[in-house]
This record gives sequence, C-alpha cells and structure tokens, in this order.
Amino acid sequence: GAVVSQHPSWVICKSGTSVKIECRSLDFQATTMFWYRQFPKQSLMLMATSNEGSKATYEQGVEKDKFLINHASLTLSTLTVTSAHPEDSSFYICSARDQGQETQYFGPGTRLLVL
Amino acid sequence: DAKTTQPPSMDCAEGRAANLPCNHSTISGNEYVYWYRQIHSQGPQYIIHGLKNNETNEMASLIITEDRKSSTLILPHATLRDTAVYYCIVRVGTYKYIFGTGTRLKVLA
Repeated sequence: GAVVSQHPSWVICKSGTSVKIECRSLDFQATTMFWYRQFPKQSLMLMATSNEGSKATYEQGVEKDKFLINHASLTLSTLTVTSAHPEDSSFYICSARDQGQETQYFGPGTRLLVL
Repeated sequence: DAKTTQPPSMDCAEGRAANLPCNHSTISGNEYVYWYRQIHSQGPQYIIHGLKNNETNEMASLIITEDRKSSTLILPHATLRDTAVYYCIVRVGTYKYIFGTGTRLKVLA
C-alpha cells in the first residue's frame, strides 16, 4: 500500500513554455500533498504544502505565481512550472500523507530539463 | 532548518550491520523520528519511524535513546542494494518534513 505516482517521469521543454507535473496517490486518499525540488548532489527542498480543496502554502523564497499548485481531489495534485527557464531544471518530487497519518509517501520524481 | 544532524558519509561491508546515527536534540515530546532513504535518481523510500520505543520492521530497526535526543537506524545485514542516502527527519510544524543533508551510505563488496 501507500503508493504515489508521478507523471511524467521526465520532460524536456523549451524556455518560456509551461510544464505540468501530476502527483497521484494510488491506494489511499491524500489529505495533504507536498512538493519538493532537488538539485544535483543536494538534499530535497520543500517548495509547498497543499491541502485538498484549499490554496497551497508556499515556503519562503518559492514564487507562487511561477509554481502553480492545484489539489482538486484527494488523489491528485498538480504542479505547473510556468514560463520555465533553464534554472528551473531540477528533480521535482511529490509526497502524500494519508488522512489521520503523519507518514509521507513519496513519488518517484519528475526530472525537468529546460533548454 | 532541519532539526537533525547526521554524518555526511559512512561505509559498511556487505553482510555486516550498518548503524546510522542521528542527532535531534531539540525534538519535542510528541514528535516522531522518521527515516527515509533515497537511491540515486529516485524518490525517497520510507523505512521506519518511532516516537519513544525501539521499532523493528522487515527493513530495519530504530533505536531511540531514552532522552530522545538521538537515534540509530540499523540495517542488520547490509547488501549492495542498500547503498543510498539515508535521511533522518523530525517533523516541523504541521506535518512538514525539512530534509537535512543525510548520510551517504556506501556498502562495499
């Protein structure tokens, strides 16, 4: 149990385009989902926390207008990187927390390369 | 900032026990200690978590000191597939994880 999927697993796009990444909890309902970013040889950095049906809470220094998060259902959250630039190239990872639980389960990650 | 500190790297011989320490001296009474590992280019994998008592599952054992200021993750018989970065995490605020730098464990043949 507690499986989280992400789609796509990798994406290459041109500078200035927008990219949407999906995060799904497959066998549980995720009250809260989290989005992280990881640069090479660095640790995961929390970008934002999203609760189903409400606006996401962004960490300090993360532009909410650039990284749009939608958590419209208990099994799906999306992260849209708007007007992507090469410096947005990174490994994006989501996690989900089952209602009533504290443990987070992570997706396999999405590697984004902006040319 | 992360509430945990870990050694940056460790080596372990294949078949031997790997003991990974973590300090969390500012942990609060109701906060759990979580352990995850990240194998290269994958999302973190949940290993184990605990509050006060020692815990064991099919992957590992977690030993938490009586004062709860530190803990040790034990992989009883390390294999080459256990080579990964291991993260010790204490929740910050409401359900948030703040990752530290973790311990890069290398299991040697």
